[in-house]
Formats: sequence, C-alpha cells, structure tokens
Amino acid sequence: EVQLVESGGGLVQPGGSLRLSCAASGFTFSTYWITWARQAPGKGLEWVANIKQDGSEKNYVDSVKGRFTISRDNAKNSLYLQMNSLRAEDTAVYYCARSVEVCGHRCLYFDYWGQGTLVTVSS
Amino acid sequence: EIVLTQSPGTLSLSPGERATLSCRPSQSVSSTYLAWYQQKPGQAPRLLIYGASSRATGIPDRFSGSGSGTDFTLTISRLEPEDFAVYYCQQYGSSPLTFGGGTKVEIK
Repeated sequence: EVQLVESGGGLVQPGGSLRLSCAASGFTFSTYWITWARQAPGKGLEWVANIKQDGSEKNYVDSVKGRFTISRDNAKNSLYLQMNSLRAEDTAVYYCARSVEVCGHRCLYFDYWGQGTLVTVSS
Repeated sequence: EIVLTQSPGTLSLSPGERATLSCRPSQSVSSTYLAWYQQKPGQAPRLLIYGASSRATGIPDRFSGSGSGTDFTLTISRLEPEDFAVYYCQQYGSSPLTFGGGTKVEIK
C-alpha cells in the first residue's frame, strides 16, 4: 500500500524557518518524481515544488523561489522541504504527493497524497 | 500560466442525481493533460481522472471525464452519499502546474 506521511509543521513567526519531511513507503520511491503542494485554510490547491527521481532537477512556484528548497534522500525514502523567510501567506496545509510523469517536469499529475502537515506563520 | 476556471462554484443536488462539473482553461491544454481530484473535509485530495478521461485505479465507473482544449467536464452519473465533496481540476501540460478553484457538490 502506498503511504506518504508528512511531518514537521507547526507555528512559526514571520521570517522564521521550518523543515518539512515526507516519509514514503509501499512503492519504489527512487523511481518517482515527488511534489509538494499546499492548501491555505478554506482555499484551493497550489503546486509548490517538485523534484526528479535522482534529485537532479527541482522546480518551484515563483512565490517560493529563493526561500524554499526541496530535497530528497532515496536511501531513506524521504522528501524534504526547507522553508526560510516564511510569510503569513505561506500558512497552509502542506501535502507531499507521488507524481506521475508524462512528459517531464511540467507534465505531472498526482496519484497518491499524504494527509498533510499544517504550517502556520503568525506572530 | 494557465488559469483553470471551474463552474459552478457550488452544485446542490440530491443522491441519485447526475452531476456535471466544468473546467475551462484560459489556454488550450496540451494533449488532454487534465486531471480531476476529489477532496472531502479534513482529507487529502484523491485522484479520480487523468488524461481528461481515464479513471484512476479503484474509481467507480459512475465517474467520467471528457473534453479537450479549453473545455473539460467531470460527470458523476448517479450521486452516492460519499460523492458529496469538493472537486478540483488540474492541468499538467504547461508550467507552472495549476489547479482550478474547485466545485463543491453539496446535498440539496
């Protein structure tokens, strides 16, 4: 059974940092693109970042470029999101999602999602 | 960036009725690279449809997707109690990947 379990969320002050983790099981982690997506309270879904199977390619939504860093450790079947210079508008539930590639990084849909971890940026 | 406009915002229907949800991209989506997801309160999204019309593993055949270019539709042929939820479309033919704003299907 495919499982994705996020952790690391919490309350952080504006300008602060947080590192999210996603532990994967039930599939060969190293053969999939993996994505972080988020959902602000009461709002819709937003793609945040994704990373290629071997970590050689990473892509970010413009609003987080230069502040967030996605990484993975295939030996540990784990995905990470280092979030720096956090802003109030980063408040959201963050999901990791297994991604099915059709034609490269811009052609990904998401077939399994974790339950999410809540990040709240507030003073 | 491709903006996906979903309509209606809310659909009020009774169990057993047919639901028709629309997703209209601001630009043509390449090669029917469009997916649909279902999300229930407090839960993660679940993939329903990919490639505009292919059902994901384990999805009942009352769910169907159709369309191309700038006009896509998700149809639920007969609503079951567990189908009342929010539905999102997502395009994956162009960067950045984008989602629609969602359609809530509620019990009338």
